Order: sequence, then C-alpha cells, then structure tokens
Amino acid sequence: GAVVSQHPSRVICKSGTSVKIECRSLDFQATTMFWYRQFPKQSLMLMATSNEGSKATYEQGVEKDKFLINHASLTLSTLTVTSAHPEDSSFYICSARGVGTQYFGPGTRLLVL
Amino acid sequence: GENVEQHPSTLSVQEGDSAVIKCTYSDSASNYFPWYKQELGKRPQLIIDIRSNVGEKKDQRIAVTLNKTAKHFSLHITETQPEDSAVYFCAASGYGGSQGNLIFGKGTKLSVKP
Repeated sequence: GAVVSQHPSRVICKSGTSVKIECRSLDFQATTMFWYRQFPKQSLMLMATSNEGSKATYEQGVEKDKFLINHASLTLSTLTVTSAHPEDSSFYICSARGVGTQYFGPGTRLLVL
Repeated sequence: GENVEQHPSTLSVQEGDSAVIKCTYSDSASNYFPWYKQELGKRPQLIIDIRSNVGEKKDQRIAVTLNKTAKHFSLHITETQPEDSAVYFCAASGYGGSQGNLIFGKGTKLSVKP
C-alpha cells in the first residue's frame, strides 16, 4: 500500500514553544491531507483538511491560529502547534488521500511540559 | 454533518470464536465505509472497506456487510486469533466528491483470549 511518513515521531517541549510536525506521502501525490488528534483510549478526531495550494479547512472547535497547517506541495503538509500548552499533549496523526482511501502516517506523540 | 456510532466499545472473545462490530451512520450521502485496526501507539491500518454499491465484501477471515437502507455496516471476524486483539475503528465518508472526510466511530477494543 501507499506510504505516509511523519516526523518527528515523538517530541517533548516546554510550554509556550511551537512545534512543527511534517507529513509526507512518499510514493504518491496527495492533493488532500488530513490531520487528526487522538487522546489516550479515544478515537481519532479530525482537526483539519489540508488541500495543496489552498488554505486548510478546520473542524469546528479547532483554532486555526493555534494549529497552523501548510500544504505547499503534493507530498508535504505541515502542522505547527503554536504556543503549545500541556493540554495540547496528544497523539497527532496525519493521513493522505491516495487512490481509493486514506493512508495514515505513524503519528507524532507530543508532550508539552 | 456525518455522525458515526460504533458498538460495542469493548469486546472479549475466546480464540476461535467470531467477533462482530457494528456501526451506524447518519448521512445517507456517505458512500465509502472503511475499517481500521489500530494497535497501541501505532497508526491505524486499513483492513477492509466497502462502497455503497456493494452489500458484502470478504477477505479471508474478515468480512464487512452494508445495509444502506438502515444505514448500518458491520465487521465480522471469524476464527479469531490473539493477534486480532486491537482497537477497531469504523468510518464513513462521501469519498469521490469534494468532501470525502473520514468520520470515525469511537472504536471497539477487541480482546481475544487464548
């Protein structure tokens, strides 16, 4: 199947700093990428839909100024958590839509101290 | 928007038994229904999917059924094995149009006891 990578896999940062997470589709072009957040023992919650070359579409309740999404190319989308706080600690997973379905990245575990 | 309900939230079966997980969706325009398996700390992996023009699909020990009229779909795992233990998520989307966002159910934690 298609391969999606995500970097970094794990990050620990101090409260108030910004963290950038990269999502890459390695062997296909993805016009649409999605960003999810998953808290422990909970389901995946869609944060935003990222379309190449245009502004991301955010789900209700997700602050676009806090979670900056850039989709500059057909193979790369980035999520920047600005001024991170402990409540932002979570598992962030991207997915890229290829032919037929979505393929998920391995996830980034963010811990904000 | 779409809303997906998934039951049960936990399921425990003996090795060799069958497991069934059920989901309902609200948006009649949804036409794509994948199932994902997620092991602890790992990414969700697509295990099977079905589109609205098909009522049933099978892949070895795994099968999915879809009832469009009732707006529900189910995952069936036969001859369960300990390695089937994981969290399973159903999802629905209107793939093929400009939307296509997957909306996930809350997940079912399946435990297969040897």
